[in-house]
Amino acid sequence: GENVEQHPSTLSVQEGDSAVIKCTYSDSASNYFPWYKQELGKGPQLIIDIRSNVGEKKDQRIAVTLNKTAKHFSLHITETQPEDSAVYFCAATTGRRALTFGSGTRLQVQP
Amino acid sequence: EAGVAQSPRYKIIEKRQSVAFWCNPISGHATLYWYQQILGQGPKLLIQFQNNGVVDDSQLPKDRFSAERLKGVDSTLKIQPAKLEDSAVYLCASSRETAEAFFGQGTRLTVV
Repeated sequence: GENVEQHPSTLSVQEGDSAVIKCTYSDSASNYFPWYKQELGKGPQLIIDIRSNVGEKKDQRIAVTLNKTAKHFSLHITETQPEDSAVYFCAATTGRRALTFGSGTRLQVQP
Repeated sequence: EAGVAQSPRYKIIEKRQSVAFWCNPISGHATLYWYQQILGQGPKLLIQFQNNGVVDDSQLPKDRFSAERLKGVDSTLKIQPAKLEDSAVYLCASSRETAEAFFGQGTRLTVV
């Protein structure tokens, strides 16, 4: 089955700096890669996703890049704000199967 | 559009007791998932339904966990008997065919 590894486990940045979270996946058949943000006491919230026919996708301050050859994808958050502080999860799937999640990155944005 | 609804939000039980969780997915979503999230870890799939049929239950501890989805809408997840290691957040999610999964707020289970 699919295996997703995520790094780093914790990330602390100053407000206004950029944050980058990286994930690798094992199943070359995976073609859908979402990112979720989870705040304390809440369920994961989908913030951006990318499909394997696209190399990069951007939505305001967040962007995701995908390298199919290397089987890794990354989340980039620019101009970080205190409200970006949360746990972020990457995930992967072929589309038919359920998502396999990474272990999470706790992002702390220092004001 | 209403989101995924789960209840209860919190539950505390003693080991060897039973517990049940309920989920109402987003209207029109054929696929429903139950995930277990242990503190500090990513969600791990327990079971996936497509309408009212099981697609994947390979990671469901079937000796104590059971789930059903009657009429292809609401779903219940049951644990009987509970163990200490079942303490976790149980997340329900739903999706259309496109794999975008939307999660409920989860049920936090504490087994003492």
